[in-house]
Amino acid sequence: SQQGEEDPQALSIQEGENATMNCSYKTSINNLQWYRQNSGRGLVHLILIRSNEREKHSGRLRVTLDTSKKSSSLLITASRAADTASYFCATDGRNYGQNFVFGPGTRLSVLP
Amino acid sequence: KAGVTQTPRYLIKTRGQQVTLSCSPISGHRSVSWYQQTPGQGLQFLFEYFSETQRNKGNFPGRFSGRQFSNSRSEMNVSTLELGDSALYLCASSLSIGNPSHGYTFGSGTRLTVV
Repeated sequence: SQQGEEDPQALSIQEGENATMNCSYKTSINNLQWYRQNSGRGLVHLILIRSNEREKHSGRLRVTLDTSKKSSSLLITASRAADTASYFCATDGRNYGQNFVFGPGTRLSVLP
Repeated sequence: KAGVTQTPRYLIKTRGQQVTLSCSPISGHRSVSWYQQTPGQGLQFLFEYFSETQRNKGNFPGRFSGRQFSNSRSEMNVSTLELGDSALYLCASSLSIGNPSHGYTFGSGTRLTVV
């Protein structure tokens, strides 16, 4: 079964607004990562949060982790058109015989 | 420094053929992982190599294979191509195996189309 699943599947907002994406997972993790993918390109690592951390910031990005609820959220503040991309969470999949397991992603569209 | 390089960028093959994709990791990175990305299945883990040894393998048929060379470059091979193998194949590199604190660096991928 899939380890990480993002919600919503698609999100459309206006430039300047905040965008929040959520990720839920099923088993205990060592860390959780968020990646961005522009259409048809490779993934870009955004941020990693460890299981003993609750919140982490990087520029306009804020990631939270709630291990009791097995969920994480990615907040992008003051969004820009250039933030239009798909966003994936990735969790440690070694219990599943993988290295990292990616969710299906959230497709974010930021409208000018 | 140079990023992860995947070649070729695009590829069109016929059913039944075989294909070899190449990935050159960031200099100094010794771990290379491969993923298949399709609209229906999302990102699926294929395999992971470290120091020329396959350390982990995803749930793909034996038609999918790979290897890593002493310079950490990796190749993956798909034999007897099927239409369903059409996908974006992504390679990711990292310094070490396991859970790298800095995440993985991905290449731009090889877009394979099987006709």
